[in-house]
Amino acid sequence: QKEVEQNSGPLSVPEGAIASLNCTYSDRGSQSFFWYRQYSGKSPELIMSIYSNGDKEDGRFTAQLNKASQYVSLLIRDSQPSDSATYLCAVKNNAGNMLTFGGGTRLMVKP
Amino acid sequence: DVKVTQSSRYLVKRTGEKVFLECVQDMDHENMFWYRQDPGLGLRLIYFSYDVKMKEKGDIPEGYSVSREKKERFSLILESASTNQTSMYLCASVGGGGPLHFGNGTRLTVT
Repeated sequence: QKEVEQNSGPLSVPEGAIASLNCTYSDRGSQSFFWYRQYSGKSPELIMSIYSNGDKEDGRFTAQLNKASQYVSLLIRDSQPSDSATYLCAVKNNAGNMLTFGGGTRLMVKP
Repeated sequence: DVKVTQSSRYLVKRTGEKVFLECVQDMDHENMFWYRQDPGLGLRLIYFSYDVKMKEKGDIPEGYSVSREKKERFSLILESASTNQTSMYLCASVGGGGPLHFGNGTRLTVT
């Protein structure tokens, strides 16, 4: 069983809608959670970090963390075609600096 | 802002050649990583290093070696390139418990 699970998609949403991306993880010792965006042919870029339960907002992005249920999600409000990309969830425990990545969810925002 | 620089964006090599992929980071990070990314397989860790001259195998080290003679530089070596090593190679670094920062990637084609 993969340690970090994401639905591979594609997740298709119309422009202006809210895109909801979900990620579950198996290691209860996980302490740090990250969302990366990766455009086709490019390297992943960090868009959100979250370390404690609850919501963290940054512009149109909101990360949500629920450690009891072992899931982390990313909401993108007012989705734009430029948001079309693969979103990678990454999880780190306190044992070191190793990140475990999910397989990514491909998001398509249609005009 | 963290900068991770990979020496080449695109490389074409012949089967059997020795290939060097270079990565330099400018943030004095202790930890550096090499991943490869292939469609449908996600990010796979090849090797990582947590200090100068230290290295640890990741999930898929076969056919690769690494070198870290200076803190800022982490090199990936393909001793004898094979066609199944055609891939996107991503270098990353991290320090102080923060997120991973990726370089721009090197797309390697082995013919």
